[in-house]
Amino acid sequence: QLQLQESGPGLVKPSETLSLNCVVLGGSMSSTHPYWGWIRQPPGKGLEWIATISYVGHTYYNPSLRSRATISRDTSMSHFSLRLSSVTVADTAVYYCADLGIVGRDFQEWGQGTLVTVSS
Amino acid sequence: QSALTQPASVSGFPGQSITISCTGSSSDVGGYDYVSWNQQHPGKAPKLIIFDVNKRPSGVSDRFSGSKSGNTASLTISGLQTEDEADYYCSSFTSSITLVFGGGTKLTVL
Repeated sequence: QLQLQESGPGLVKPSETLSLNCVVLGGSMSSTHPYWGWIRQPPGKGLEWIATISYVGHTYYNPSLRSRATISRDTSMSHFSLRLSSVTVADTAVYYCADLGIVGRDFQEWGQGTLVTVSS
Repeated sequence: QSALTQPASVSGFPGQSITISCTGSSSDVGGYDYVSWNQQHPGKAPKLIIFDVNKRPSGVSDRFSGSKSGNTASLTISGLQTEDEADYYCSSFTSSITLVFGGGTKLTVL
């Protein structure tokens, strides 16, 4: 059973860059698991899709975050990352990574999430 | 992109059936059979319960079913149980090759 585990800084200062990592356990990014993504959820609010990456490196972004977000993958295909620049308090959220499966249209498996707080 | 529209809350008694709607446009819900539903219990990560409008992942109860008509998708939960109390989010693929969520619906089992 494939599992995902996020890691992040916990606390980030306004205007800095947030970096998050997602480790794929029990599997890897491959032709059988080609699409992976990041989603976030501000405290008490709903889910927001951030970005998707394919195992061959194609990337797709939420238009509202495209200018600040960068999704990337490691060449080992065992983990992928998200960088979000120029953060503000509005970026405070639980960040989830997810396996988007064969066609990248839904969220097949989710990580447990990691809370990132933006505060000075 | 605009979030899909869901009712903020629905409720029902144990054993009853409830339906949650998810309304979008011809650029997302209406244009593709790529609507999914995720269940989220408090303090937990979401879990996929319906994909491709009406397909259930292995292990998901057949009390959960999905459908779509025009620009509106629906999730029906039959034989409501106390453990169904959770937040439910729809999502859809869009013509811009992006994904969009609904605002979420809180289900209360009375």
